[in-house]
This record gives sequence, C-alpha cells and structure tokens, in this order.
Amino acid sequence: GEDVEQSLFLSVREGDSSVINCTYTDSSSTYLYWYKQEPGAGLQLLTYIFSNMDMKQDQRLTVLLNKKDKHLSLRIADTQTGDSAIYFCAESSNDYKLSFGAGTTVTVRA
Amino acid sequence: DTAVSQTPKYLVTQMGNDKSIKCEQNLGHDTMYWYKQDSKKFLKIMFSYNNKELIINETVPNRFSPKSPDKAHLNLHINSLELGDSAVYFCASSPRQGQKETQYFGPGTRLLVL
Repeated sequence: GEDVEQSLFLSVREGDSSVINCTYTDSSSTYLYWYKQEPGAGLQLLTYIFSNMDMKQDQRLTVLLNKKDKHLSLRIADTQTGDSAIYFCAESSNDYKLSFGAGTTVTVRA
Repeated sequence: DTAVSQTPKYLVTQMGNDKSIKCEQNLGHDTMYWYKQDSKKFLKIMFSYNNKELIINETVPNRFSPKSPDKAHLNLHINSLELGDSAVYFCASSPRQGQKETQYFGPGTRLLVL
C-alpha cells in the first residue's frame, strides 16, 4: 500500500539473522503487525507491537519500533529454511482498517 | 477446528459469470473482513462487517456484494466477473471492531477468471 512501504526482496543464509524493514506514514497508527505468508497459504500473524513500545521480543523474533521516524523492523534470529516466505508489515489506525505493505519475499539459502 | 475457513479454495470461471465465495469463523468474533491480494501480492481491504452491519466499504465495483447472514459468516458475491477480478481473496475476523483487535485470516480463495 502507498501508506506502508517495504523492500521487496531479502536473501539470507541459513543460520544468519534476517532484518526486514518497514516504514509507514500514518502518525495515528496505534498497532503495527507482522504477518507471514508461506507459498500458497494464507496470512499468519507473527507478532504485533503497540505504538507506545520500542521493542518486543518473542523467541527468535524481535520487533523494533521507531515512532519518531515511523520505522518498524522485524529481526529473525538464526534464520531457517522454514522462514522462507513473504512478510507483510501492516498498520492499524483510527479507521479500523489494516493497511499492508507490499510484502518482503525472504529467501533462505543453504 | 479451523478458525477462519473459506470455500472454495480455488475457483476458475469464465468472464461474465456470477460466483460466490463463502467465509465462516468459529472464533465467536464480531467483526469480519474481505481483502483482495493481486498478482503483485498487494493486499487491500474491500469490506468489513461488525455484527452483520457494513462498516467499511472501500472503492469496490458494485459487482461485488458482501452478505452477512449472521456474525459468523461473511460471503462475497461477484456479478459479471472480469479478467481483472483474478486474485486471491482473503477473509479475516477480529474479536470486535477496533484498532487493537488482531485480525485472523482464512487460507484464501484463488479466483481465476478466463
């Protein structure tokens, strides 16, 4: 979407960390989400962060939020082949809609 | 025990036909959504219903008509299908209407119009 931007592709070696970046424009965004879509499958919610938080960690996933710069990132530690997927950043603001980025295709190579 | 289910999973049809996609959620959620994902993977909301009432209606052609017979179901009927309607359609639900309500997605319906 035009309000949420992500880089389109990321290639990472198995065992390395992946960092997926996202920027958004709506300053009223209250919740920001990361969804994962595996080939031929639906969207799976990975994690979300409330806008008054800077960081959230959940096992191998770390979300960083810089509200001033409207920048969100998702770090995946020890990336595995099963992490190959499209990752969507999304923001939710006053109008209850989720606005999605175009998705970052992550390819994990051996 | 599927949370949000959609039928059919795949739909191939000719231009000009009318088709319906069904969505059901067994999560007890009040709010349901339809999203369209185009060939470039771009996802955009189409409609949202809260307790069977339409609350979001994005700029979608009149050929698309959602129907919510009860709060567990949100169906999407498409009249006079066009080539550009080919996409993956995702249904989603959330506990209630609101910013902080996480949306849970169905597996998608892959529509191909020939």
